[in-house]
Amino acid sequence: DAGVTQSPTHLIKTRGQQVTLRCSPKSGHDTVSWYQQALGQGPQFIFQYYEEEERQRGNFPDRFSGHQFPNYSSELNVNALLLGDSALYLCASSLMSALPSYEQYFGPGTRLTVT
Amino acid sequence: AQSVAQPEDQVNVAEGNPLTVKCTYSVSGNPYLFWYVQYPNRGLQFLLKYITGDNLVKGSYGFEAEFNKSQTSFHLKKPSALVSDSALYFCAVLHYNQGGKLIFGQGTELSVKP
Repeated sequence: DAGVTQSPTHLIKTRGQQVTLRCSPKSGHDTVSWYQQALGQGPQFIFQYYEEEERQRGNFPDRFSGHQFPNYSSELNVNALLLGDSALYLCASSLMSALPSYEQYFGPGTRLTVT
Repeated sequence: AQSVAQPEDQVNVAEGNPLTVKCTYSVSGNPYLFWYVQYPNRGLQFLLKYITGDNLVKGSYGFEAEFNKSQTSFHLKKPSALVSDSALYFCAVLHYNQGGKLIFGQGTELSVKP
């Protein structure tokens, strides 16, 4: 049973560019959440997707957008990259019907470096 | 607003000694609390959770956590530390009213020396 997978593992982009990160949830899960983890900090919630819709959003600008596909996989898009967007981006999957007792399963993350 | 605090940036323990990693929380309503561990250049791994029931929760790799409602704490413990326990530990609270958003503390780096 594959866990949460993310691609790519590492990415280097230049300021102003756009980036797309991908996530496949754990088998049987229907909800995907994205988190940003800056160096030395705890993960910060970006947004959550369920039934192909953004269900809730953290305190991130509109440059951050996402999508969920019918197979529950998800993408995170960041436009007009800033140096401050450099971070580890974590995807977490869960089963919405199991709230609140579920735990979110995290992928290995994508390390984004903006130069 | 929901929040979590981990008052110690780093905890140092000798192998074989008991360890405690502290966490306090602030929530409105019932607290749903989690501990995760992160090894270098890796994602987060779930350790344990408190949803309801017994105040002492047992989790993976011999870890346990004690939920204390009066002190609003959820400290992570292990009776005998291993060098391999050295990692970054995060406490988190589930913001249930918003569909399952996790709010994390800043993390505590645990270092276990032989």
